[in-house]
Amino acid sequence: EPEVTQTPSHQVTQMGQEVILRCVPISNHLYFYWYRQILGQKVEFLVSFYNNEISEKSEIFDDQFSVERPDGSNFTLKIRSTKLEDSAMYFCASSDEGLGRGEQYFGPGTRLTVT
Amino acid sequence: DQQVKQNSPSLSVQEGRISILNCDYTNSMFDYFLWYKKYPAEGPTFLISISSIKDKNEDGRFTVFLNKSAKHLSLHIVPSQPGDSAVYFCAARGHNDYKLSFGAGTTVTVRA
Repeated sequence: EPEVTQTPSHQVTQMGQEVILRCVPISNHLYFYWYRQILGQKVEFLVSFYNNEISEKSEIFDDQFSVERPDGSNFTLKIRSTKLEDSAMYFCASSDEGLGRGEQYFGPGTRLTVT
Repeated sequence: DQQVKQNSPSLSVQEGRISILNCDYTNSMFDYFLWYKKYPAEGPTFLISISSIKDKNEDGRFTVFLNKSAKHLSLHIVPSQPGDSAVYFCAARGHNDYKLSFGAGTTVTVRA
């Protein structure tokens, strides 16, 4: 069964450093998402991406964050200058339908630890 | 974001019995609802969904019920099995949304 994959599984970085989290969505999906879950909190939406542009973003997704689809298979989340409060599980998801419909399929997550 | 609420943080049920998980929402623009299951160190796994034009959707042991007037949905698992022990998340999206709004989750423990 096709699945979303994410690398690395765990990333430790120092405050102020840049990190890039990588995802390979399901191959025939066209819509891509990033979510995060801070320990003990809800899963929160960050951004959605379709047709090489951001289709929706949350207030969390500020100028420190960016997304890119650098080739036909990868989808990345970059955090330019990490803060302690960016420590969380980051989940990538993809779907074959967009607005209002379609199940989103999640990857296993990247645990980001900012020290 | 308090638009999706799962008020029971945990549920313990005996193997073979029914598990009932509840979810309430406040946003009347939500029209598509999903349940996800999550094991430790894994991502959420899609279980079942329901559109607001329906009041019930069934898939094997899993049934989701939607009561739009009460802004309430529930997930029934019958019969419960040990492998069902996980965290279950309710999620919702509106017609013009890409994003899913999640509840806080309910941890289900199935006892042998």
